Amino acid sequence: RKEVEQDPGPFNVPEGATVAFNCTYSNSASQSFFWYRQDCRKEPKLLMSVYSSGNEDGRFTAQLNRASQYISLLIRDSKLSDSATYLCVVSWGGKLIFGQGTELSVKP
Amino acid sequence: SQTIHQWPATLVQPVGSPLSLECTVEGTSNPNLYWYRQAAGRGLQLLFYSVGIGQISSEVPQNLSASRPQDRQFILSSKKLLLSDSGFYLCAGQGANTEAFFGQGTRLTVV
Repeated sequence: RKEVEQDPGPFNVPEGATVAFNCTYSNSASQSFFWYRQDCRKEPKLLMSVYSSGNEDGRFTAQLNRASQYISLLIRDSKLSDSATYLCVVSWGGKLIFGQGTELSVKP
Repeated sequence: SQTIHQWPATLVQPVGSPLSLECTVEGTSNPNLYWYRQAAGRGLQLLFYSVGIGQISSEVPQNLSASRPQDRQFILSSKKLLLSDSGFYLCAGQGANTEAFFGQGTRLTVV
């Protein structure tokens, strides 16, 4: 089993749609959780950290379920500029492990 | 703010030649440091991580090595490159309980 697994994608959605990304992790000792966004041929950029109580930043909502070892990202009212690859990231014991990424394409 | 300087941005090297990629960190002390490789259309594969000077952990057996001679310096090396070493190499750092920050990456093509 991979240490961090994401939906394989790609997701192709119209503008204005709501999109959900899911991610599971294998190590119950995981300490920190993040969602990153990566545009083509660029380095990943932090989208948001994920807190135990869940957190929201504008159109983006992240949730963490430690019991199920699962994190999620919800994008509401998607924009063309949201098109990118979304990476789930989990940290434990000095390691920072990325999921394989889920590509999102938002169409007009 | 925390930043990583990684160079060069692109590199074309012949098979069998040596490699040295360097990154330096600013804006934080004693960060965890990471080297990742990303093949075209794939996720980030963790190659090495370091929690302190001289401390290197390797995630996958391979043709590469890493060193951390100073707190804010992380080096990725190879004595003899293989075609399969081609990819996008990213250096990342992480302070205590913070998010990771990345260098701009090195696109390596082995020919």
